[in-house]
Amino acid sequence: AQTVTQSQPEMSVQEAETVTLSCTYDTSENNYYLFWYKQPPSRQMILVIRQEAYKQQNATENRFSVNFQKAAKSFSLKISDSQLGDTAMYFCALIDGNEKLTFGTGTRLTIIP
Amino acid sequence: SQTIHQWPATLVQPVGSPLSLECTVEGTSNPNLYWYRQAAGRGLQLLFYSVGIGQISSEVPQNLSASRPQDRQFILSSKKLLLSDSGFYLCAWSEYAGRILTQHFGDGTRLSIL
Repeated sequence: AQTVTQSQPEMSVQEAETVTLSCTYDTSENNYYLFWYKQPPSRQMILVIRQEAYKQQNATENRFSVNFQKAAKSFSLKISDSQLGDTAMYFCALIDGNEKLTFGTGTRLTIIP
Repeated sequence: SQTIHQWPATLVQPVGSPLSLECTVEGTSNPNLYWYRQAAGRGLQLLFYSVGIGQISSEVPQNLSASRPQDRQFILSSKKLLLSDSGFYLCAWSEYAGRILTQHFGDGTRLSIL
């Protein structure tokens, strides 16, 4: 069975700084996909970024980028120029051949003004 | 464009009462549909998923059940709620964006059992 581990329950950073959220995973599949979701206080689950495991190039979406280390089974999220609106729970997730998402336990990120 | 609707947004129910949460998707056909539960301060736990009308897979034995009476409708039910059923319930649907199967979530239902 696949697992996703987020070892940082909480983080905080000053506005405009860069922050990196960690995620490690385990799966026996060769073909899988990784995601970061954001859940602000409104509780809506919003897709931030996604990565195909067979692609070596790291995905980027504006201020958000990932560091995908396949051999180490690591998938960290970097947020550059952090903004107050980035305050949220961030969940790392994996989907493989069974087409079911497995989520980590989340990291609560607070951006300090 | 596709949208997902989930209601009600909040619900307070007494122990032992029945439950019906509804989720509908618009703008797509034959989507995979999912029900998740999120306990306070925790990650998401997959409860049920469906690949078509009348096809339901249960991930965790529990007090809840799911049904899919129509292609884009997914219902979460219980005959008698327990205190442990409290939580935040999210419905989701999935699509292939290129090669990636991606799930999109509704706004959720906060369920409190008294």
